[in-house]
Amino acid sequence: GAVVSQHPSRVICKSGTSVKIECRSLDFQATTMFWYRQFPKQSLMLMATSNEGSKATYEQGVEKDKFLINHASLTLSTLTVTSAHPEDSSFYICSASIRLAGKIYNEQFFGPGTRLTVL
Amino acid sequence: ILNVEQSPQSLHVQEGDSTNFTCSFPSSNFYALHWYRWETAKSPEALFVMTLNGDEKKKGRISATLNTKEGYSYLYIKGSQPEDSATYLCAFGTTDSWGKLQFGAGTQVVVTP
Repeated sequence: GAVVSQHPSRVICKSGTSVKIECRSLDFQATTMFWYRQFPKQSLMLMATSNEGSKATYEQGVEKDKFLINHASLTLSTLTVTSAHPEDSSFYICSASIRLAGKIYNEQFFGPGTRLTVL
Repeated sequence: ILNVEQSPQSLHVQEGDSTNFTCSFPSSNFYALHWYRWETAKSPEALFVMTLNGDEKKKGRISATLNTKEGYSYLYIKGSQPEDSATYLCAFGTTDSWGKLQFGAGTQVVVTP
């Protein structure tokens, strides 16, 4: 159980185009999804927290107009990198969690990630 | 920004040997410490979640301990096997982080036959 898929796994695009990445919880309903970015040899950096039916909360320094997040259902969140540039090339990974009553932390279940290369 | 440090960054282990590595984190407002195993081209897999000082968790040949007062956790692999080769991530959550986790950069373990 607790499987999260992410598509595409790899994408190469031209500078100036937009790229959409999907994150799906396959066998559970995720109240919260998280989007991370990872540069080589560095840790996963949280970009934003997405709750179903509400606007995403972005971390400091992350441009909300650049990285559009939509969480339209309890099983799907999308990240759109708008007008991508070479500096947006990175590894993007999502996680999904279920909010349990009485708990502050929630187990996060990860997708396999998306490697974005912008030419 | 809360810093989570993992050391070493990488290590090579001979099959059959045991090994351990460290995750250090700020001890203030501690709530939970997570360990994940991340194999290449796969999703990070949750290994342990620990919340209490002195917690010890075990899963097969892998175990972890937690010291919240001094802010560190150890992950141990006993009798390493090639299938243990992966990057091991730790992540730290605080009482005021609303479920968000701060990740370390990971320890890459390579087990050679």
